[in-house]
Amino acid sequence: GAVVSQHPSWVICKSGTSVKIECRSLDFQATTMFWYRQFPKQSLMLMATSNEGSKATYEQGVEKDKFLINHASLTLSTLTVTSAHPEDSSFYICSARFAGGPGEQYFGPGTRLTVT
Amino acid sequence: QKEVEQNSGPLSVPEGAIASLNCTYSDRGSQSFFWYRQYSGKSPELIMSIYSNGDKEDGRFTAQLNKASQYVSLLIRDSQPSDSATYLCAVIEGFGNEKLTFGTGTRLTIIP
Repeated sequence: GAVVSQHPSWVICKSGTSVKIECRSLDFQATTMFWYRQFPKQSLMLMATSNEGSKATYEQGVEKDKFLINHASLTLSTLTVTSAHPEDSSFYICSARFAGGPGEQYFGPGTRLTVT
Repeated sequence: QKEVEQNSGPLSVPEGAIASLNCTYSDRGSQSFFWYRQYSGKSPELIMSIYSNGDKEDGRFTAQLNKASQYVSLLIRDSQPSDSATYLCAVIEGFGNEKLTFGTGTRLTIIP
């Protein structure tokens, strides 16, 4: 149980284009989903927290107009990187919090984005 | 500033021995504590959660929590080469909070 999927697992895009990443909780309902970014050999960095049906809460320094988050249902959240640039190349990981649980988060396998 | 601290390592342990990983946190209101394992190039995987003082065992893993001293530890018995990874301590600070505060992780290497 507690499986979270992400799609795609890797993507290469050209500078200036947009990329959408999907995060799904497969066998549980998630009231809250989180989006993280991780650069090589660095710690996870929380980008935003999203709750189903409401606007995402972004961490300080994260551009909400660049990283669009939609949490349409209790099992699906999407992150769209708009007008991507090479500095956006990173490992993007989502996690989902089990509805009604004490707070543990289950992570998706991650999406490796390369912007050329 | 609220913090979660771990020894970054690397920590090297012979195969078959006990690996001991430690974590301290600064927020006394913290209620939930987690250990995640992250292999290089992969996402974190939840291996233990603990919410009350004492020990919690799951297979070869034992989590220990001491709220008075504000530390949480993870013991791995009979260490295997496949246990080589970075171990992240994560804490939910305060009440009504959903975000995890992560330590920087301890890199563990099991030596065959």
